[in-house]
Amino acid sequence: GDQVEQSPSALSLHEGTDSALRCNFTTTMRSVQWFRQNSRGSLISLFYLASGTKENGRLKSAFDSKERRYSTLHIRDAQLEDSGTYFCAAEVPGYQNFYFGKGTSLTVIP
Amino acid sequence: AQTIHQWPVAEIKAVGSPLSLGCTIKGKSSPNLYWYWQATGGTLQQLFYSITVGQVESVVQLNLSASRPKDDQFILSTEKLLLSHSGFYLCAWSPGLGGPDTQYFGPGTRLLVL
Repeated sequence: GDQVEQSPSALSLHEGTDSALRCNFTTTMRSVQWFRQNSRGSLISLFYLASGTKENGRLKSAFDSKERRYSTLHIRDAQLEDSGTYFCAAEVPGYQNFYFGKGTSLTVIP
Repeated sequence: AQTIHQWPVAEIKAVGSPLSLGCTIKGKSSPNLYWYWQATGGTLQQLFYSITVGQVESVVQLNLSASRPKDDQFILSTEKLLLSHSGFYLCAWSPGLGGPDTQYFGPGTRLLVL
């Protein structure tokens, strides 16, 4: 079965609004990384977290430090350039194995 | 600054023909290297990883093989392509040597098998 469940699968936001994406893991993970994939396929790293929270501008991410079984990505004041597909990737402890969620297709509407 | 280059940018190949895709990382010694495959509209699936020259571990083979002939080079290949090999192939690196496993991706290679 899938190691990573990502939700929602698709999301439409009006400019200026806020939302959150979530990834649940079926087992304890060592770390999580969030990416945005643009229309050309390029994967841009947004955050890498081994624990706690990180913030960068209008984006903020958190990784459950206790059980290490979920992570969130918050988007504040959504802008048109935030459109794209967002993926989380979780690392299994002790291995160089990474599992990606199925992605969230985000469309920001003017 | 580190750079990652993949070649070719895109390929159209016939079923049964051989394939070789390449990935080079410049500006970083002893990186961990990874190969991923992404079906159109799908998620990324890790195929292989390597933590040192000459050593490659398989995660999901998909009738593909990988090699690391040099510290900065990672090769993905097969002798006989299948239709199911079509998709987007991405190479990535992370710092290795006990550091955080933050992955940085290359631009990818689009493969169409006919």
